[in-house]
Amino acid sequence: DQQVKQNSPSLSVQEGRISILNCDYTNSMFDYFLWYKKYPAEGPTFLISISSIKDKNEDGRFTVFLNKSAKHLSLHIVPSQPGDSAVYFCAASPRLTFGEGTQLTVNP
Amino acid sequence: DSGVTQTPKHLITATGQRVTLRCSPRSGDLSVYWYQQSLDQGLQFLIQYYNGEERAKGNILERFSAQQFPDLHSELNLSSLELGDSALYFCASSVQGNNSPLHFGNGTRLTVT
Repeated sequence: DQQVKQNSPSLSVQEGRISILNCDYTNSMFDYFLWYKKYPAEGPTFLISISSIKDKNEDGRFTVFLNKSAKHLSLHIVPSQPGDSAVYFCAASPRLTFGEGTQLTVNP
Repeated sequence: DSGVTQTPKHLITATGQRVTLRCSPRSGDLSVYWYQQSLDQGLQFLIQYYNGEERAKGNILERFSAQQFPDLHSELNLSSLELGDSALYFCASSVQGNNSPLHFGNGTRLTVT
């Protein structure tokens, strides 16, 4: 039972444009959501989080939006940079259940 | 550098064998998590410890076990290894149990031949 799903395995965008990564969840008990970035041969690194009492959290170029009624969250990266190319995982707490990841490629 | 140390980085062993993976959490972190990432798969939660006690269990096989020691380091024991156990095993730590970001180590790549 995949409670957190990232339906797009990959996304390609041009440098300077917006990247939008999506994540859906099914468990209404999830109350805290996180995004992680992973480069090859490294562990995931924490990027940004949002509590279920908010619908938006912003940190520099990264903004996470939460739509509780749709059980959907998204990560916006603007402007996208080639160094953002990585696999992005969304995760939901409690129990830190991870999605399958989306490979983002930002082309120069 | 996340501050989480995992050893060894790579492990190659044969089917039926037993291995132990080790994790040292970030200084001050009480909670340790273990995850498995098989080829092209997401991160599958295995087990969580908090201050030496098992806190939550995920999709961990009975052939696998873990513990967290008084100095807060943790070990994941994998026995009767099968080819399908080949994966990246990540350890992560956090200050508290829930609703705090996890800090991941760089993983142990296990290859079972």
